Amino acid sequence: GENVEQHPSTLSVQEGDSAVIKCTYSDSASNYFPWYKQELGKRPQLIIDIRSNVGEKKDQRIAVTLNKTAKHFSLHITETQPEDSAVYFCAASLDTGRRALTFGSGTRLQVQP
Amino acid sequence: DGGITQSPKYLFRKEGQNVTLSCEQNLNHDAMYWYRQDPGQGLRLIYYSQIVNDFQKGDIAEGYSVSREKKESFPLTVTSAQKNPTAFYLCASSHGQGPYEQYFGPGTRLTVT
Repeated sequence: GENVEQHPSTLSVQEGDSAVIKCTYSDSASNYFPWYKQELGKRPQLIIDIRSNVGEKKDQRIAVTLNKTAKHFSLHITETQPEDSAVYFCAASLDTGRRALTFGSGTRLQVQP
Repeated sequence: DGGITQSPKYLFRKEGQNVTLSCEQNLNHDAMYWYRQDPGQGLRLIYYSQIVNDFQKGDIAEGYSVSREKKESFPLTVTSAQKNPTAFYLCASSHGQGPYEQYFGPGTRLTVT
């Protein structure tokens, strides 16, 4: 089955700096890659997603890049703010079979004011 | 906030007792999922259902059971056979076709002593 690895496990940046979180996946058939933000004790919220026919997607300060050849994708947050502090999860799935998400282990992002 | 609800928010049970967690959605989604989250870890798939009256085991199904008698509802029973049931349980739903965004419920925190 699919395996998703996520790095780093913790990340501390100064307010205004950029943050990058990286994930690799094992199943070359996977074609959907969402990123979720989870605040303490809350539900995961989708912040951006990308499909395999696209190499990059941006939404204001957030961008995701996908390299299908290397089987890795990354989340980029620019001009970080204290409210960006949370745990971020990457995930992968495909549009056949179970279509359930396989999650990475999460990155705790701390933005220092 | 997504149209998917879980109850109760907190649940306490004695070891050896079965307990059922509720999950309801009014998004007209075909697919529903149950995930388990342990502290500092990612989400792991317990069971999923792509249509009514059908469900499949996920990666950690042992000690759990589900039913899908209605499109809107996907209850999860944590049985006494589950060795480490204390965790945060998240239900999610999505459109049935293709890889689509999964919407998460607010979660149930189960503590078994």
